[in-house]
Amino acid sequence: GAVVSQHPSRVICKSGTSVKIECRSLDFQATTMFWYRQFPKQSLMLMATSNEGSKATYEQGVEKDKFLINHASLTLSTLTVTSAHPEDSSFYICSARDRLGSGGINTGELFFGEGSRLTVL
Amino acid sequence: AQSVTQLGSHVSVSEGALVLLRCNYSSSVPPYLFWYVQYPNQGLQLLLKYTSAATLVKGINGFEAEFKKSETSFHLTKPSAHMSDAAEYFCAVSDQAGTALIFGKGTTLSVSS
Repeated sequence: GAVVSQHPSRVICKSGTSVKIECRSLDFQATTMFWYRQFPKQSLMLMATSNEGSKATYEQGVEKDKFLINHASLTLSTLTVTSAHPEDSSFYICSARDRLGSGGINTGELFFGEGSRLTVL
Repeated sequence: AQSVTQLGSHVSVSEGALVLLRCNYSSSVPPYLFWYVQYPNQGLQLLLKYTSAATLVKGINGFEAEFKKSETSFHLTKPSAHMSDAAEYFCAVSDQAGTALIFGKGTTLSVSS
């Protein structure tokens, strides 16, 4: 159980285009999903918290108009990189927490997708 | 605010040797602590977690970690390294309120034969 799926795993796009990345919780419901960004050989940096049915909460320094997040259902969150530029090239990873928790206890554990490698030419 | 510090960005060991990856945390509330492993171009896999139960936590692949409140540490160990352990390891902290995990900068583990 507790599988998070991301799609696409790899995407290459031209500068100026927009790219959408999907994050799905396959066997559990997630009222909250988190989007992270990881540059080569660096740690994961939290970009935003995606809340089902409401606006996302962005971390300081993350442009909300550039990184559009939609959390339309309890199992799907999407990240759209608008007007992508080469500096947006990165590894984007989503994560989700089972709202019910294991055995009814929320241990704070996050389940991660496999990541999406974005390359902007 | 919560944070974790991983001491040593790169650790090299010989196959069969002890693995020790260090993590210190800072938290204003009782923390939930995690160790994740990441292989190239992949997501994160949970190795183990501390959630205020036993201070010595056993995880997958022979890894374990001990929560030491007095030292604010949660170091990861494995008695005998295997070549397949070579990867990036991240320590992370969270609180029970359901906030996002905050990650350390990671430690690259290299294992030589």
